Amino acid sequence: DVKVTQSSRYLVKRTGEKVFLECVQDMDHENMFWYRQDPGLGLRLIYFSYDVKMKEKGDIPEGYSVSREKKERFSLILESASTNQTSMYLCASKDSTFYGYTFGSGTRLTVV
Amino acid sequence: QKEVEQNSGPLSVPEGAIASLNCTYSDRGSQSFFWYRQYSGKSPELIMFIYSNGDKEDGRFTAQLNKASQYVSLLIRDSQPSDSATYLCAVSPYSSASKIIFGSGTRLSIRP
Repeated sequence: DVKVTQSSRYLVKRTGEKVFLECVQDMDHENMFWYRQDPGLGLRLIYFSYDVKMKEKGDIPEGYSVSREKKERFSLILESASTNQTSMYLCASKDSTFYGYTFGSGTRLTVV
Repeated sequence: QKEVEQNSGPLSVPEGAIASLNCTYSDRGSQSFFWYRQYSGKSPELIMFIYSNGDKEDGRFTAQLNKASQYVSLLIRDSQPSDSATYLCAVSPYSSASKIIFGSGTRLSIRP
């Protein structure tokens, strides 16, 4: 069974901390994505990557960066966490055909 | 105009009835269409995808696509309490085989 694994299910961090969210997929997918999901706002795309070392900004990249050094791993970095980054973060991967995403189980991040 | 629009609900349907969920999209060249189910606190799970005009059936679920009207729907027959969830409509635009645009979701409640 295909899998997208996010390293933490729940995370609590302090304001100003640098935060790393890790995502690993075992499907050899080219494309990986980071979303955040907030009540009433739906899924918002932060960054995506269509190849190793390639990245593209999504709709809300401010305050975030990403790293993709290996095909299977896509990391989201909060450079200096703020309380408005408290959210559910979802990683997804997809191959280059017209099939849908597979999502990880999500990381609920709280910034205090 | 939002790229993918859904009624947020909640949509309340009695157990055993047919639940009908609707979605419209703005990019006429969109290639593929998806329905995701998301239980509270969980990540989205792909339940149906459709590429061609017409109906596609899988068990109790039927996806319907009308490209001329830019309209996608999901029918759930013999609704069960376990179908209570938020249903996300998603569309793969012509410009990208990778990126998927999500609607904000319809909350479905099946009452016993």
